[in-house]
Amino acid sequence: AQKITQTQPGMFVQEKEAVTLDCTYDTSDPSYGLFWYKQPSSGEMIFLIYQGSYDQQNATEGRYSLNFQKARKSANLVISASQLGDSAMYFCAIRLVVSGSARQLTFGSGTQLTVLP
Amino acid sequence: NAGVTQTPKFQVLKTGQSMTLQCAQDMNHEYMSWYRQDPGMGLRLIHYSVGAGITDQGEVPNGYNVSRSTTEDFPLRLLSAAPSQTSVYFCASSATGASTDTQYFGPGTRLTVL
Repeated sequence: AQKITQTQPGMFVQEKEAVTLDCTYDTSDPSYGLFWYKQPSSGEMIFLIYQGSYDQQNATEGRYSLNFQKARKSANLVISASQLGDSAMYFCAIRLVVSGSARQLTFGSGTQLTVLP
Repeated sequence: NAGVTQTPKFQVLKTGQSMTLQCAQDMNHEYMSWYRQDPGMGLRLIHYSVGAGITDQGEVPNGYNVSRSTTEDFPLRLLSAAPSQTSVYFCASSATGASTDTQYFGPGTRLTVL
């Protein structure tokens, strides 16, 4: 079964420090996309960063970087210089071919990050 | 561009009532989908569409219908609401159905079924 696992239900980090949110996935498909989304308390889903299975380099977007270890099937999100506004739920997701033209985005259960002043 | 829009933002229904959740995107995206998010959980796929006139079921399709008559719109219909359908509903779209395409989400509709 294809799935995605986030083992940290909650994380705390001090403001201005870096934090790593873990994500592992399970698929035998060679082509897939890995995504991280942020969901603040207001409820919207905000796209943060993407990593393709064939990408050689780790993705970076501002203070966000993705530590992609393909052999270990992990795609951890690193947030550098945490800010109070980073407090939110973070979801890891994998997009896979289901059949034909179908592409399903499967989400992990999320990690609630709290940034402490 | 407005991106992905959803209406209404909040809705309360009684058991057995029907309603339609609206979703529209102005990015000319081919791929659209509906998810539900239950407390403490990630999102689960209800239905998706790879283009106008083409729809298919996702992980949790029971109790929901969809149609895609235009590229822009992808409404979700609840035929006979049940308390188990109390959830937050998200519509999402991406340029194509490729695994590497980013899906962009609407703001969500919070539905309560009494």
